[in-house]
Amino acid sequence: DVVMTQSPLSLPVTLGQPASISCRSSQSLVHSDGNTYLNWFQQRPGQSPRRLIYKVSNRDSGVPDRFSGSGSGTDFTLKISRVEAEDVGVYYCMQGTHWLWTFGQGTKVEIK
Amino acid sequence: EVQLVESGGGLVQPGGSLRVSCVASGFIFSSYDMDWVRLLPEKGLVWVSRITGDGRTYYADSVKGRFTISRDNAKNTMYLQMNSLRAEDTAVYYCVRNDFGTIHWWGQGTLVTVSS
Repeated sequence: DVVMTQSPLSLPVTLGQPASISCRSSQSLVHSDGNTYLNWFQQRPGQSPRRLIYKVSNRDSGVPDRFSGSGSGTDFTLKISRVEAEDVGVYYCMQGTHWLWTFGQGTKVEIK
Repeated sequence: EVQLVESGGGLVQPGGSLRVSCVASGFIFSSYDMDWVRLLPEKGLVWVSRITGDGRTYYADSVKGRFTISRDNAKNTMYLQMNSLRAEDTAVYYCVRNDFGTIHWWGQGTLVTVSS
């Protein structure tokens, strides 16, 4: 199975400041079709997960442009340019390239 | 609009059984693979099982031999039969639509608690 390793696991951030979450995979996430199926999800307290980013850097409709995804191969990053109060929650990366999907451990974002 | 609605969660004793269901709407159910993903306390999201549109099934090692996934395309419904439940199966179980390498649609989740 592909192991997804996120860091940090806890991220206290000051409102208006940037935040960055790293996600590393134990194998390349480049699919035989040429795509890289690396996703980012946000889970707010008491809610179902919500997809923010798919295929590394494609932002979902309705997701604020302060969220951005980047990376390639085995090394990926989610950035929030200026953290707002509504960004509190747990963020997960997930690979869908290999048939058995695997998630990172989750990064808890909280306001300092 | 796509909707996924789970039901059937609850409290069950260790060693017991439970079946959770997911009713789908807003898309051609039979055309999509469907998956179960669970949120384990303090451990995060974990993929559990997959059923293809034509009924092939796949399981995580942690549930293989104990859980059975199935679907009824005429009823737009997917099921997860869970037997020999353990405390470590306690989780919120989410029904998700498999969009080839990604998940765009999640259900609201159903809580399964395994405890005596």
